[in-house]
Amino acid sequence: NAGVTQTPKFRILKIGQSMTLQCTQDMNHNYMYWYRQDPGMGLKLIYYSVGAGITDKGEVPNGYNVSRSTTEDFPLRLELAAPSQTSVYFCASTLRGPQHFGDGTRLSIL
Amino acid sequence: RKEVEQDPGPFNVPEGATVAFNCTYSNSASQSFFWYRQDCRKEPKLLMSVYSSGNEDGRFTAQLNRASQYISLLIRDSKLSDSATYLCVVNIPNAGGTSYGKLTFGQGTILTVHP
Repeated sequence: NAGVTQTPKFRILKIGQSMTLQCTQDMNHNYMYWYRQDPGMGLKLIYYSVGAGITDKGEVPNGYNVSRSTTEDFPLRLELAAPSQTSVYFCASTLRGPQHFGDGTRLSIL
Repeated sequence: RKEVEQDPGPFNVPEGATVAFNCTYSNSASQSFFWYRQDCRKEPKLLMSVYSSGNEDGRFTAQLNRASQYISLLIRDSKLSDSATYLCVVNIPNAGGTSYGKLTFGQGTILTVHP
C-alpha cells in the first residue's frame, strides 16, 4: 500500500550543487505535481504533469526541471542549488479529485 | 487579491469547544473544494471534500457558498488530536476552463486545542 513515495527524506546541499528529488506512485494516476512549502506558508506549485511525456510549469518553476517518462515516476531536478530553494518539497498525484501526497523531502541549501 | 485566502489564526480553544474556519476564493469558475489537514512537519492529508449542498463527517461540517465565494469548516466537540493546520484548497481553472487537477492552497489556519 505504498501510494506516493518520495526520496530522499532529508538532504543538505551546497550552493551550486545539483540533485534530483525522486517521486513515484503506484496508483496509476495520470496527474502528478511538485510543490514547495516554506515555513508558515501554503504550498506553491512548481511543476505538474497530466501524463507520461507531458509536463507544464506551475506558479514557481524557476530553478527547477522535471520529466515524466513513465506514469509512475515524476522526478524534480535542481540544477544549481540556491539558498532560496531551502524548503520542504511535496510530490502529489491524482486520478481526479483530491490529491494524494508523499511525505516530503526536506532540503537545505547552505 | 489572493486566489485562496484564510485567516491564519492561530485559534486556541479548549477541548469540547466548537470552532469555525472560513476561506474565500477569487475564481468564480472553481468547481472543486477541499479541506486538508496538515500536522507539524508532515504532508497534507485530505480531511474532506466540500459539496454544494454542504456535507458532514462526524464532528466536521463543511459548507460552500458559491454566491459569496467562500467555504467553511466547523469542528464540534474539539479534541486535543484536532490540533493541526487546516488548509483550504480550491481548484483554479485556467482561461480555457480546464484545471488538470491543479489545486491552489490557502496558507492554512493553525488550530491548537488545549485541555
